Amino acid sequence: DQQVKQNSPSLSVQEGRISILNCDYTNSMFDYFLWYKKYPAEGPTFLISISSIKDKNEDGRFTVFLNKSAKHLSLHIVPSQPGDSAVYFCAASIFSGGSNYKLTFGKGTLLTVNP
Amino acid sequence: EAQVTQNPRYLITVTGKKLTVTCSQNMNHEYMSWYRQDPGLGLRQIYYSMNVEVTDKGDVPEGYKVSRKEKRNFPLILESPSPNQTSLYFCASTTSGFYNEQFFGPGTRLTVL
Repeated sequence: DQQVKQNSPSLSVQEGRISILNCDYTNSMFDYFLWYKKYPAEGPTFLISISSIKDKNEDGRFTVFLNKSAKHLSLHIVPSQPGDSAVYFCAASIFSGGSNYKLTFGKGTLLTVNP
Repeated sequence: EAQVTQNPRYLITVTGKKLTVTCSQNMNHEYMSWYRQDPGLGLRQIYYSMNVEVTDKGDVPEGYKVSRKEKRNFPLILESPSPNQTSLYFCASTTSGFYNEQFFGPGTRLTVL
């Protein structure tokens, strides 16, 4: 059973517009959520995270929103740039035993930002 | 430079020929993990290690072994590779503590013929 779902395999937006990537989860025990960005031939790199005690976290052009009641989170990129074109993975974890060791990933969404 | 390194980056082998993919981190992280990435399936955890000599199975451990004899190294061993282990493999590490991100290596693309 897939506990973290990214239902959109791909998304295409125009440069300068907003990109919204969505993620749903089923396990109510998850209390920490992360977004990773992956370029071809590279490992995933951490982008932004949010703990379950918050509903929003912002870092420059990137904002993550968390709706715990809906078990839904989203990543907003404003304004989108061609360099943002990559695969974005949503991940979730349960903080236990002193750290959030195990990450459960979604399948990823390929974002393409057109000039 | 803080990093996770993996070797080799690319490997083509044949069914049944034992192989090892090495992973090393220079950040003194306690926790290390192996993932595989397959089309349409995202990243799935194979094995993880919470510290030296402490390892445990992830979601897809069948056909793999790991060891953690030193803090910096966490090799992935395929004793008898099969074609269904053709995949892109990533090693990751993080320090213990509250809400820490995991750092990923550059990946190893393995093809088993």
